[in-house]
Amino acid sequence: QVQLQESGPGLVKPSQTLALTCTVSGGSISSGSHYWSWIRQPAGKGLEWIGRIYTSGSTKYNPSLKSRVTVSLDTSKNQFSLKLSSMTATDTAVYYCARGDGIPGYNSGWYYFASWGQGTLVTVSS
Amino acid sequence: IVMTQSPLSLPVTPGEPASISCVSNQSLLHSDGYNYLDWYLQKPGQSPHLLIFLASNRASGVPDRFSGSGSGTDFTLKISRVEAEDAGVYYCMQSLQAPLTFGGGTKVEIK
Repeated sequence: QVQLQESGPGLVKPSQTLALTCTVSGGSISSGSHYWSWIRQPAGKGLEWIGRIYTSGSTKYNPSLKSRVTVSLDTSKNQFSLKLSSMTATDTAVYYCARGDGIPGYNSGWYYFASWGQGTLVTVSS
Repeated sequence: IVMTQSPLSLPVTPGEPASISCVSNQSLLHSDGYNYLDWYLQKPGQSPHLLIFLASNRASGVPDRFSGSGSGTDFTLKISRVEAEDAGVYYCMQSLQAPLTFGGGTKVEIK
């Protein structure tokens, strides 16, 4: 069974760039048809989809963050990563990585979040 | 697409039914005939997991006391008889178009 684990700094200064990595175990990041995704959750609040990268390398981002976000794959390390620039206090949140999977027999463009990391808290503060 | 859930909080007695509403500001009906609305449960201290996909399909391993219904813009998650393990925050999520968006969540508390 695939497992995901986020890693990165727990504290980032305002205006800096956040760099998080999601290490995937139990399966290859470059095989199959998956949507490798990032989702965040401010403390006590709901979930916000940040963006995703498909197995092929194509990306989609939340327009509210688009100019600041980059998601990329590193197949040699079986990881994918998130970079979020110009961090502010409003970016303080638990950041989750997740794998999006389809279900045979349904639209291949639809997917659900089948596997999640445990989440990592990122605080923006000077 | 904006997703609105109600209620915000739902205290429930074990064995009693529970119902959560989710409304979207545009239709989630895809041309393939499915409504692209999913339900997730986030138990305390855990990551979310899928309960219902495409409005009415139970995910693998989900007890049959959970059911989803609705079409277009109005959707409902029902728990026929709540158990203590059902406590947590329930989120609806539209998977029709990017950006994927979640409802604000409904916290189910067991009395």
